[in-house]
Amino acid sequence: EPEVTQTPSHQVTQMGQEVILRCVPISNHLYFYWYRQILGQKVEFLVSFYNNEISEKSEIFDDQFSVERPDGSNFTLKIRSTKLEDSAMYFCAGGGAGNQPQHFGDGTRLSIL
Amino acid sequence: AQSVTQLDSQVPVFEEAPVELRCNYSSSVSVYLFWYVQYPNQGLQLLLKYLSGSTLVKGINGFEAEFNKSQTSFHLRKPSVHISDTAEYFCAVYKAAGNKLTFGGGTRVLVKP
Repeated sequence: EPEVTQTPSHQVTQMGQEVILRCVPISNHLYFYWYRQILGQKVEFLVSFYNNEISEKSEIFDDQFSVERPDGSNFTLKIRSTKLEDSAMYFCAGGGAGNQPQHFGDGTRLSIL
Repeated sequence: AQSVTQLDSQVPVFEEAPVELRCNYSSSVSVYLFWYVQYPNQGLQLLLKYLSGSTLVKGINGFEAEFNKSQTSFHLRKPSVHISDTAEYFCAVYKAAGNKLTFGGGTRVLVKP
């Protein structure tokens, strides 16, 4: 069964540095999402992406964050200048029509030092 | 704002005993409901979904859940658990207007021999 794949599995970065998290969704997905889970807390929505543009974003998704899907395959989340509080597990997800189940990757653990 | 409450943060249960994980949501409009499972060091895997139709939905690994609109609940059950069911379970709600999943805080199930 096709899977959503995320790379890297673990990223360690110095505070203030840029980081790019990568995701390869299942090919027939139309909607793409990023969520994050800070250790010990609930999974939080960051952003949804449809038809090559952001369709919804949370208050967490400020100007330091950006997403793109440049080649129709990879879906990336960029954090321009990382902060300590960006340390979390970041999950990519993809899905069909809006209310269809979202399929998640195994996540990227981002550690900011 | 949409909220999802999982009343139990941890549920210890003996092998072959039944388990029920409670989930309540706040919404006055149509929602779509999901349960996801997260095994250690893995991503979120869909257990089951309620989109419409029968209020009793069956999922993978012997799990089932019942949608109760009047009580705004979507409790998850399994009649007999295995050691391999040890994991964290997340209830999630999708509202079309928001194009995102809102997760509960998770319930950690520990199955003891």
